[in-house]
Amino acid sequence: DTEVTQTPKHLVMGMTNKKSLKCEQHMGHRAMYWYKQKAKKPPELMFVYSYEKLSINESVPSRFSPECPNSSLLNLHLHALQPEDSALYLCASSQGSQGVSAKNIQYFGAGTRLSVL
Amino acid sequence: DAKTTQPPSMDCAEGRAANLPCNHSTISGNEYVYWYRQIHSQGPQYIIHGLKNNETNEMASLIITEDRKSSTLILPHATLRDTAVYYCIVRVAAGYNAGNMLTFGGGTRLMVKP
Repeated sequence: DTEVTQTPKHLVMGMTNKKSLKCEQHMGHRAMYWYKQKAKKPPELMFVYSYEKLSINESVPSRFSPECPNSSLLNLHLHALQPEDSALYLCASSQGSQGVSAKNIQYFGAGTRLSVL
Repeated sequence: DAKTTQPPSMDCAEGRAANLPCNHSTISGNEYVYWYRQIHSQGPQYIIHGLKNNETNEMASLIITEDRKSSTLILPHATLRDTAVYYCIVRVAAGYNAGNMLTFGGGTRLMVKP
């Protein structure tokens, strides 16, 4: 099973709302990622979690707050977003081991399409 | 990580081989070439990767030139379901705490036509 599950698939929220995106994997991967993808653009990395600890934050605004409660689950908490934050949010996971390149293959979920009104 | 250059779009007839080029002239000796694709409304999907030898799996073949400055992804018998954006990414095989991330370029939009 190489599945990464993201919920919800679609989300519409106002600028004053608080919402959360959820990502789950049961492959035993210890690295998890959030990417943001605007229309007709490539995905851009936001955060990396390694062994449940935040290891990379690509200068993401604080209105995006990631959380990794356990090795299988990754959340992205959203608060006071702007319309320009509307995008496809992708979660990925990888084995996270050192060394052999094949173990760093990332598996992606289908994404959450977010619209901020 | 080294930068890659890909043509923005390509067409291919169904049943024919699709050859997608990637230029990575500044690649370092310890950097691998990875290929991912993204079908519309889905997340990116890993296809294949290599260091310097040619590689083949059930999805595709990867041909890397001897000087490693360019590579070609080959889909031997393209189908309509292969219509997607194909990303060539060059990066080191880092450990989990050493920037284990993917930097996507513009990719090539492959359109497979009947």
